[in-house]
Amino acid sequence: NAGVMQNPRHLVRRRGQEARLRCSPMKGHSHVYWYRQLPEEGLKFMVYLQKENIIDESGMPKERFSAEFPKEGPSILRIQQVVRGDSAAYFCASSSDISGNTIYFGEGSWLTVV
Amino acid sequence: GESVGLHLPTLSVQEGDNSIINCAYSNSASDYFIWYKQESGKGPQFIIDIRSNMDKRQGQRVTVLLNKTVKHLSLQIAATQPGDSAVYFCAEKKGGYQKVTFGTGTKLQVIP
Repeated sequence: NAGVMQNPRHLVRRRGQEARLRCSPMKGHSHVYWYRQLPEEGLKFMVYLQKENIIDESGMPKERFSAEFPKEGPSILRIQQVVRGDSAAYFCASSSDISGNTIYFGEGSWLTVV
Repeated sequence: GESVGLHLPTLSVQEGDNSIINCAYSNSASDYFIWYKQESGKGPQFIIDIRSNMDKRQGQRVTVLLNKTVKHLSLQIAATQPGDSAVYFCAEKKGGYQKVTFGTGTKLQVIP
């Protein structure tokens, strides 16, 4: 998982605030995936992006959540008006091409909503 | 619906013994099955994968077995070491990109 950089590693937000999680993929990777992990559970797919395009957002909640991967800069997962149920670890992963059989995960961003 | 699940939530193994972590799946359309290791406070780390048309694949100290008849996947770790202590997830991938579906995970505890 070396090379996928996520920040912040830990984020505390009050209910109603916004959370922004950033992910820089491995060098040369143009495919980014976001996953969410609740305590004691597996990772749940949220969204898959390529540069400037959302390819699959079937795992994203319909409201308050959005993701982008601009031409320049990191991918951003944005959560508006956070609620306590948003508290989780959010993992970003990247791969080099669409058919890559290995994706590399970052160390995660732990969001706590108080 | 599709699901990837694990038989045991926790597995305790003596150091030096072999470990076997099991996983059941229900979606026959998956192209690949993948094992990840996740240490506390870290992201998942790829261990090994197996294509759906294979029965067995070996890596360094690890072997994955796939039984499509009973939709069962296992990860065998030889000579388990304290550094193997982690949560292990099986996952499945289908389609042209890496949208994997993860199971709940099995926690492996290695007893020194």
